[in-house]
Amino acid sequence: DIQMTQSPSSLSASVGDRVTITCRASQSISSYLNWYQQKPGKAPNLLIYAASSLQGGVPSRFSGSGSGTDFTLTISSLQPEDFATYYCQQSYSTPLTFGGGTKVQIK
Amino acid sequence: EVQLLESGGGLVQPGGSLRLSCAASGFTFNIYAMSWVRQAPGKGLEWVSTISGSGGATYYVDSVKGRFTISRDNSKNTLYLQMNSLRAEDTAVYYCAKDRLVVRDLGEFDYWGQGTLVTVSS
Repeated sequence: DIQMTQSPSSLSASVGDRVTITCRASQSISSYLNWYQQKPGKAPNLLIYAASSLQGGVPSRFSGSGSGTDFTLTISSLQPEDFATYYCQQSYSTPLTFGGGTKVQIK
Repeated sequence: EVQLLESGGGLVQPGGSLRLSCAASGFTFNIYAMSWVRQAPGKGLEWVSTISGSGGATYYVDSVKGRFTISRDNSKNTLYLQMNSLRAEDTAVYYCAKDRLVVRDLGEFDYWGQGTLVTVSS
């Protein structure tokens, strides 16, 4: 199974900050990496697919990069509605696996 | 508008069974793979199972193989998850999710239901 490791597990940031979250795969997954945002009590929401493609309706302050084993999600200017937990997910092989999540909190 | 509405969750004793349903609308159901993803209380996301658009291919995480069965009724636009021999560690919110692409069975999920809670406890 491919293990997905996110870092940090949590972070505190202020509105307007640039935030970067890292996801590392235990083996190469090419660009089969997706990012989701989840708010408390809600279902996850797809932000980025194929490592760097922005899902429709997602603000352009979100961006993704990377390939192989190392990936990043960047929020260029954190907004109040961005405080949430973020998960990466590999879709390279079964079982599909998610990272442990990164909780973005208000500083 | 795509909508996914799960039902069937509840409290069940260890060793018991439960069947979850997910009613889909707003898209051509029979051409998209559909999946179940679960989330234990306070924990992260775990993929459980996927079924192809035709229903001819199914995939499972090892921890549920032989106990859970995914199926679909394309005439009713409904996805199912039959869960047998339930264990305490199966306690979670279960989400149904739609694959984004027609051409791949196992990819990213662009629409999710609101989730249904399954609690396995005596």
